[in-house]
Amino acid sequence: SAVISQKPSRDICQRGTSLTIQCQVDSQVTMMFWYRQQPGQSLTLIATANQGSEATYESGFVIDKFPISRPNLTFSTLTVSNMSPEDSSIYLCSVVRPTRSGETQYFGPGTRLLVL
Amino acid sequence: KQEVTQIPAALSVPEGENLVLNCSFTDSAIYNLQWFRQDPGKGLTSLLLIQSSQREQTSGRLNASLDKSSGRSTLYIAASQPGDSATYLCAVNTGFQKLVFGTGTRLLVSP
Repeated sequence: SAVISQKPSRDICQRGTSLTIQCQVDSQVTMMFWYRQQPGQSLTLIATANQGSEATYESGFVIDKFPISRPNLTFSTLTVSNMSPEDSSIYLCSVVRPTRSGETQYFGPGTRLLVL
Repeated sequence: KQEVTQIPAALSVPEGENLVLNCSFTDSAIYNLQWFRQDPGKGLTSLLLIQSSQREQTSGRLNASLDKSSGRSTLYIAASQPGDSATYLCAVNTGFQKLVFGTGTRLLVSP
């Protein structure tokens, strides 16, 4: 498995401000992923973060709104910029680890964001 | 565009029942399929991973099957317990480890 921590675990923010979410993994990984789970909905992939290169964003997500950093192989940050109430979601990071079954994805505990 | 649907959306059963959760996906070109559980206020816990070439995987009271050609997977839970109460999510790997998640099944097992 993988031990993944996220900070903060939750936050309440005012619209127009920005929040940076941190994700720390217990050992080195090539790719880290950022997902969003809006209230009552399932998870949607925001972007893939590779160390040493720019993140790759999925359709509907842009770097100006969700800048990502990946300074080393165990750490990544996601910033939610110029927040609006529609950004209220759970943000989760994930990594892939080899297991007996294959390449298995593991998730952090999530950051619960409420934008007022 | 890959779409993943889970049926039923919610399920309530008495303790001890065997139950089946369903997951369907529109594009059979997947690398693998993973089942997760999500507990309220917590992250996701990986339950089972099935490769596209496999038909089923088992872990304890859980058994997941995959029929890639028909775009279906099922998660079978034997002898359900109140501790199984959670939301169950299936997710398909569409390549480069990118997961497309289903809508989830909320399970409540009553003592």
